[in-house]
Parts: sequence; C-alpha cells; structure tokens
Amino acid sequence: NAGVMQNPRHLVRRRGQEARLRCSPMKGHSHVYWYRQLPEEGLKFMVYLQKENIIDESGMPKERFSAEFPKEGPSILRIQQVVRGDSAAYFCASSQQGAIDTQYFGPGTRLTVL
Amino acid sequence: AQTVTQSQPEMSVQEAETVTLSCTYDTSESDYYLFWYKQPPSRQMILVIRQEAYKQQNATENRFSVNFQKAAKSFSLKISDSQLGDAAMYFCAYRRAGGADGLTFGKGTHLIIQP
Repeated sequence: NAGVMQNPRHLVRRRGQEARLRCSPMKGHSHVYWYRQLPEEGLKFMVYLQKENIIDESGMPKERFSAEFPKEGPSILRIQQVVRGDSAAYFCASSQQGAIDTQYFGPGTRLTVL
Repeated sequence: AQTVTQSQPEMSVQEAETVTLSCTYDTSESDYYLFWYKQPPSRQMILVIRQEAYKQQNATENRFSVNFQKAAKSFSLKISDSQLGDAAMYFCAYRRAGGADGLTFGKGTHLIIQP
C-alpha cells in the first residue's frame, strides 16, 4: 500500500510566480491536511479537506493561498504571487476517517522562493 | 486555543541508554489525542506513538513508551535501548477529538545519539 505521495519534492520559484503543490493520499483515505514547516519550527496546520469540500481552512493565509481536493486526482495547494516568506517545507497528511483517525504524512515539498 | 510545549530544544543520549523527551500541552477539552512524530534528516514525518486521552493505560510501541499524566497535561516519550537510527527531531502533537481541525505541534526536540 503506497504511502502519501507529494510532488514535486523540491520547487524553486521567483517572486511573483505561482507554486502548485500536489498531494495524493494513501489508498482508501479521503481526508487530506496541509501543513507548513518554517525552518527550526514545528508544523503549522493550514487546511483540512475532504473530496470536493474544504472542511477547515482556519490556518490558511487569507491572501494568495488556496487548496482543493477534487473528486478525481490529487489535492492541490496553490500559492499565487509567491514571496520570500513563503519559502518553507509543505507537508500533506491523509487519514481514513478524519477526526478520530491518525494522520500519515507525505515526504513534503520544499519550496524555495528566490 | 491549544498549545503544545516542548521545553528541550536538544537532548543527547549514549547508544543503548534510555532517554525521556518532555511535552506539555494546554487545552480545555476533555477528549483528545496525543502523538509523537519523528522527523529524521530525510524530513519525512513518521508516527511513533499515539495516545487517546480517555485511556488511562500508557501507550507502548516496542522500545517507545509514553508517560501520560492527564491532570498535569504532560505527555513524555521514553526511548529505551537507544539506537543510532533514533537520531531525529521529535515532535509532540495534539488533536481534539471530534474536531475538524488539524494537529497542533510543538517546536520539536533534536535527539542526538552518541555512539
């Protein structure tokens, strides 16, 4: 059973460009979470999605950030007009049932904004 | 809001010895889950152990065990017979039961294993 997949593993963007991060949950998992990890910090929750629904986006910056989890295909975290402060590792996690279930993490995408 | 505090930025232990990593948390909830995750240099987040707050028995996974003190809001991780492969960042995390929110993480403890 493949784990949580994220791609790309490394992404370099110039200021003002768009970044698209993809996450494929574990087989049978329909709940996806996105986290951001700044250097020397723990992970910070951004958004929680189920198929075609955003359940909780309380940790997501109001501007430039959006997330989706379509009926078919991976979950996408999109960052428009990136700035240097967006440089971080972005982790996706998935769970089978949501609130009562353990989250399993992908390997992360390291975003560098030049 | 919930907070998770790991007061030890770095810990060092001799191979084969035992080490305990500390974690405290603050919450007004009575039902919740606590986790320890390991992040080796590869940066992959690996679940080490999980504890349900309603269970009084401390969770154990092979060489890893926890000391869960609900009244004190303390959740420490004990690693017995430390191995070189245990070297990593260790993060304590909290999640309330029945909620639609994500995990709340501490800032982590960097564990060094001395050969």
